Amino acid sequence: SAVISQKPSRDICQRGTSLTIQCQVDSQVTMMFWYRQQPGQSLTLIATANQGSEATYESGFVIDKFPISRPNLTFSTLTVSNMSPEDSSIYLCSVAHLGETDTQYFGPGTRLTVL
Amino acid sequence: AQKITQTQPGMFVQEKEAVTLDCTYDTSDPSYGLFWYKQPSSGEMIFLIYQGSYDQQNATEGRYSLNFQKARKSANLVISASQLGDSAMYFCAMRDLRGGFKTIFGAGTRLFVKA
Repeated sequence: SAVISQKPSRDICQRGTSLTIQCQVDSQVTMMFWYRQQPGQSLTLIATANQGSEATYESGFVIDKFPISRPNLTFSTLTVSNMSPEDSSIYLCSVAHLGETDTQYFGPGTRLTVL
Repeated sequence: AQKITQTQPGMFVQEKEAVTLDCTYDTSDPSYGLFWYKQPSSGEMIFLIYQGSYDQQNATEGRYSLNFQKARKSANLVISASQLGDSAMYFCAMRDLRGGFKTIFGAGTRLFVKA
């Protein structure tokens, strides 16, 4: 398994501002992902964070709105840009290591409220 | 296209009794993995159990077991001897193991354990 930490754990932000969420893993992992969970909904994949290159975004998500960095195998950031109340969600970092049982682990999440 | 269906928005169970949470899936790929996650009110996603499409036996992890019926494309989670701490959202998920790591999630089932 992997121990994943996220910062901040929660935040309340004003419309039009940006927030950067950090994800730190205690071991080198192959894959890192960012998910969004809107209130009362299931999880939706935003993007796969690729080390040293641009993230791979899912349909409906763009780099200008959700820029992602992954400078090494244990760390990634997700920025939610120009926020609106519709961005109020839980944002979850997730990791997996190819070659094992393909189990995917999740961080504790960042609970974001946009006013 | 892959799809995960959880038809029970909410379930109630008496403490110490067993409960089954339903999950059906649809995929044309022969190689896939099925997962169950627990999400308590804190928001963290906790991995519970994994079943590979080629596994001959049903997966078990402590009080959790997965009733895998491949022909019916169902992967129900059975929780034995329910505890108050089992009250949470439960998500069924699936991933195609041949390529990529995109995991899709069901809508979830909220379990309430009564004392």
